[in-house]
Amino acid sequence: AQTVTQSQPEMSVQEAETVTLSCTYDTSESDYYLFWYKQPPSRQMILVIRQEAYKQQNATENRFSVNFQKAAKSFSLKISDSQLGDAAMYFCAYRSKLGGSNYKLTFGKGTLLTVNP
Amino acid sequence: EPEVTQTPSHQVTQMGQEVILRCVPISNHLYFYWYRQILGQKVEFLVSFYNNEISEKSEIFDDQFSVERPDGSNFTLKIRSTKLEDSAMYFCASSDWGGGGETQYFGPGTRLLVL
Repeated sequence: AQTVTQSQPEMSVQEAETVTLSCTYDTSESDYYLFWYKQPPSRQMILVIRQEAYKQQNATENRFSVNFQKAAKSFSLKISDSQLGDAAMYFCAYRSKLGGSNYKLTFGKGTLLTVNP
Repeated sequence: EPEVTQTPSHQVTQMGQEVILRCVPISNHLYFYWYRQILGQKVEFLVSFYNNEISEKSEIFDDQFSVERPDGSNFTLKIRSTKLEDSAMYFCASSDWGGGGETQYFGPGTRLLVL
């Protein structure tokens, strides 16, 4: 079974600075998907960014980018020019690409990001 | 922009009572999911549903749980006899299909409190 580990329970960053959230995962599969979801105080889960394992290029979405190291099974999220609205719990998630019905997301425990003005 | 909706947003129930949590997935989506998040813990998969049947379920999803798509728009999670440990946030999600890693879009959640 796949596991996802987020080793930083909490992180903080100054507004306008850059912060990197860590995620590692364990899998025996060679192709899969990785996601970062954001959960603000409202507790809604919002997709931040997605990476397909077979793509070597790191995904980017505006101020959000990932550093995907497949051999190291590492998938970190970098937030540039942090804004107050970025304050939230961030979850890393894994999804198998196998056939059948293995479409569930496996989540890490989350990292609580605080943005200081 | 289409979104997943869930009702109610909050529900308080007595232990042993039945609850039904409702979700309206995005209209052209085909795969539906329920997840739960106990306070302070990670989000856990409960069940996935496709073509009017369960495609996968976790060990959490025991006989007390059931899912149904009673019409073309709603997707429900029923807990037959609630326990204290069922208190959690329950999230519904949907994706347009599962085979390509399509993104699962989450609803805002239902906060269930069992007393």
